[in-house]
Amino acid sequence: GAVVSQHPSRVICKSGTSVKIECRSLDFQATTMFWYRQFPKQSLMLMATSNEGSKATYEQGVEKDKFLINHASLTLSTLTVTSAHPEDSSFYICSARDYSGLQETQYFGPGTRLLVL
Amino acid sequence: GDSVTQMEGPVTLSEEAFLTINCTYTATGYPSLFWYVQYPGEGLQLLLKATKADDKGSNKGFEATYRKETTSFHLEKGSVQVSDSAVYFCALRIPNAGNMLTFGGGTRLMVKP
Repeated sequence: GAVVSQHPSRVICKSGTSVKIECRSLDFQATTMFWYRQFPKQSLMLMATSNEGSKATYEQGVEKDKFLINHASLTLSTLTVTSAHPEDSSFYICSARDYSGLQETQYFGPGTRLLVL
Repeated sequence: GDSVTQMEGPVTLSEEAFLTINCTYTATGYPSLFWYVQYPGEGLQLLLKATKADDKGSNKGFEATYRKETTSFHLEKGSVQVSDSAVYFCALRIPNAGNMLTFGGGTRLMVKP
């Protein structure tokens, strides 16, 4: 089946630095990708919808200047956590929508665990 | 707004036991319903889905029936295995309304030999 990869899988950074997370669709083109955040023992919360070639759509309460999203190609979306702080520590998961089959299917990446010290 | 409620875990079962994970939803439209599974260290994978009332989704021995009258989509498996240990998420999506998934809180299943 289709695969979505994320890089890095785990990152530890100092407070105040910026961290970039990549999400790639490996064998299909994705005009739409989604970024989720998952807190321990909690569900996934949609942060934003990333659209290729246009601005991302952010969910209410998500700071767009804090979480920069770039969907520069049909197979790559990036999430940059700017000036990260300990409260940004979380598990970030992307997903990509594949329209190429008989049915539209949404595939999820393995996630990136961010720890801000 | 739309929401999904799942039974809290963890659910601990012995191998070959019967599994039920409850899921109920509230939605303003006519949602499609999904179960996703997240194995340790991996991303979410679609387990099964149902797109209209009375549909039954099934996969890998798991099944769930879309019950509109009770707004439920409970996940069941007749005989669990240790390899089924994972976190299970119930989700809904309203077609043509942004197509965004709304997830429940997740239920961790632990199956012991």
